[in-house]
Amino acid sequence: NAGVTQTPKFRILKIGQSMTLQCTQDMNHNYMYWYRQDPGMGLKLIYYSVGAGITDKGEVPNGYNVSRSTTEDFPLRLELAAPSQTSVYFCASNPGWGGSNQPQHFGDGTRLSIL
Amino acid sequence: AQRVTQPEKLLSVFKGAPVELKCNYSYSGSPELFWYVQYSRQRLQLLLRHISRESIKGFTADLNKGETSFHLKKPFAQEEDSAMYYCALSRGSGAGSYQLTFGKGTKLSVIP
Repeated sequence: NAGVTQTPKFRILKIGQSMTLQCTQDMNHNYMYWYRQDPGMGLKLIYYSVGAGITDKGEVPNGYNVSRSTTEDFPLRLELAAPSQTSVYFCASNPGWGGSNQPQHFGDGTRLSIL
Repeated sequence: AQRVTQPEKLLSVFKGAPVELKCNYSYSGSPELFWYVQYSRQRLQLLLRHISRESIKGFTADLNKGETSFHLKKPFAQEEDSAMYYCALSRGSGAGSYQLTFGKGTKLSVIP
């Protein structure tokens, strides 16, 4: 199993451009998450989803959108890229059953620079 | 609001020396706590969780509710322990999604 797969691994955008960060998981997990990690900081939750068709905002959702049309895929969209969105983005998933002690499985991350 | 604090950005120890990575939390409910680790060129992965009360790769962590701490310990550091370590707290949310709140991380460097 590949687990959680993120594409692309690296990307440079110009201010005002848009792009979609892809995330897919093959573990049949119900819950999926998007985090961003700024230098020297911990991961902060952007959006999460508890199942297909259900998404909700995390701690830092401004400037992003998500959709969850299938169990496997959870893309993150940046509509108007801004320098403040320069960060490393991580996608994660977990089964969603078994309570709050279920670990999250992470992708390799996408390093995004906005110039 | 919940918060996770890792006071040390960088911790350097000699091989064979004891290691303690500190983690303190604030949370009004009953916390679920984790340690995640990221080795060089690898993805973030779970190291251990407090509910399991297990030892993984020689590491242990005890939840101290009185001191609101979940420090990670290992009696004898190995070079392969060099990595970035994150403490995280899981809380329930409205949809039962159990969001994680992460500390800023501690980089452990084991000196040969």
